[in-house]
Amino acid sequence: DAGVTQSPTHLIKTRGQQVTLRCSPISGHKSVSWYQQVLGQGPQFIFQYYEKEERGRGNFPDRFSARQFPNYSSELNVNALLLGDSALYLCASSTGRYSNQPQHFGDGTRLSIL
Amino acid sequence: DQQVKQNSPSLSVQEGRISILNCDYTNSMFDYFLWYKKYPAEGPTFLISISSIKDKNEDGRFTVFLNKSAKHLSLHIVPSQPGDSAVYFCAARRSGGSNYKLTFGKGTLLTVNP
Repeated sequence: DAGVTQSPTHLIKTRGQQVTLRCSPISGHKSVSWYQQVLGQGPQFIFQYYEKEERGRGNFPDRFSARQFPNYSSELNVNALLLGDSALYLCASSTGRYSNQPQHFGDGTRLSIL
Repeated sequence: DQQVKQNSPSLSVQEGRISILNCDYTNSMFDYFLWYKKYPAEGPTFLISISSIKDKNEDGRFTVFLNKSAKHLSLHIVPSQPGDSAVYFCAARRSGGSNYKLTFGKGTLLTVNP
């Protein structure tokens, strides 16, 4: 079975631009979460979506937004990019919102801001 | 405030010996704990988890121990293999309304020497 897939794998943008990152969860998984990982830190929670609704949001500015589609895939959008947005963006999926099942991660999108 | 702490940035062990990775947490509402392994250029891979109703969980060479009174958990790898060399992240999830979010430590780089 395919794992969590993310695209693109790498992206270079300049300050002020906008970016859209994509994620396809594991088949049968209805919950998708997004995390940001900067060098030397653990992943930081950005959003969770379940059944196409936002169920949680981390401590990130409104420049960050996301959505989930009927097929449970998801997009993360970041507007007005700043140098500090350079990071690895990880998508994780799980079976459900409250289940005690682990989240499974994709390989991430490496975003570099020049 | 770092709610999940991995105080050892790195650990080096000999092949065949035991690797012990430690993790401390401060939030008593955390009730589900996970360990992830991360190779460079890949996303975190789920290793093993433990619920707060248990104090030990085993899966092959990997065992996680939870000491709730000390708010401490550890991951034991026996025997260690060179392929285990990676960054290991401890993560925790709290019960209640925000249980969708994983809170990660900063990670410990494990190097297993042949």
